[in-house]
Amino acid sequence: EAQVTQNPRYLITVTGKKLTVTCSQNMNHEYMSWYRQDPGLGLRQIYYSMNVEVTDKGDVPEGYKVSRKEKRNFPLILESPSPNQTSLYFCASSHYGSGTGRTGELFFGEGSRLTVL
Amino acid sequence: AQRVTQPEKLLSVFKGAPVELKCNYSYSGSPELFWYVQYSRQRLQLLLRHISRESIKGFTADLNKGETSFHLKKPFAQEEDSAMYYCALPNNDMRFGAGTRLTVKP
Repeated sequence: EAQVTQNPRYLITVTGKKLTVTCSQNMNHEYMSWYRQDPGLGLRQIYYSMNVEVTDKGDVPEGYKVSRKEKRNFPLILESPSPNQTSLYFCASSHYGSGTGRTGELFFGEGSRLTVL
Repeated sequence: AQRVTQPEKLLSVFKGAPVELKCNYSYSGSPELFWYVQYSRQRLQLLLRHISRESIKGFTADLNKGETSFHLKKPFAQEEDSAMYYCALPNNDMRFGAGTRLTVKP
């Protein structure tokens, strides 16, 4: 089954304790992205990647890191989490039309709810 | 800069009433726009894209370049349409609006 898988789905942690949220897709998509969803603010992009070893900042990258060493995986790293990073996080992937410079339909993971105390 | 604006955070209508969710964009060039939907406890999924000119679950959206809008419409809302709706503009990334939470009351 074609899908985007995120882990963990739920996590409660404390300020300053490094954590990684994994994301994996099995559709051979070039493009992957992380978003956070907050009430009243909608979906905001954290980082995105147009292919292996190519990453770029979205609208709210502060406090986050990413890496894209393999096409299928795009982990989100919080080196020193803070309470303002409490949120619902979504990973998504898509084919990327390098000729058009556009992403196609995004396929989303189920979300990871993170609470930082 | 490319931007998508959804002016209404909340929208409430009664079952059977028409509904219109607004989306405005700014983009230099020929845009390609999407509507995504998130039902309660489900992941976000594509509802429709303007280039396909299709109607999905009774929803349609027309790209109006003059008004730079891509409003989502349905003539008769159903309770199962209650969800969060996002307008999105793909470029070398995918920008989303802030979303509109639609509630269809019985």
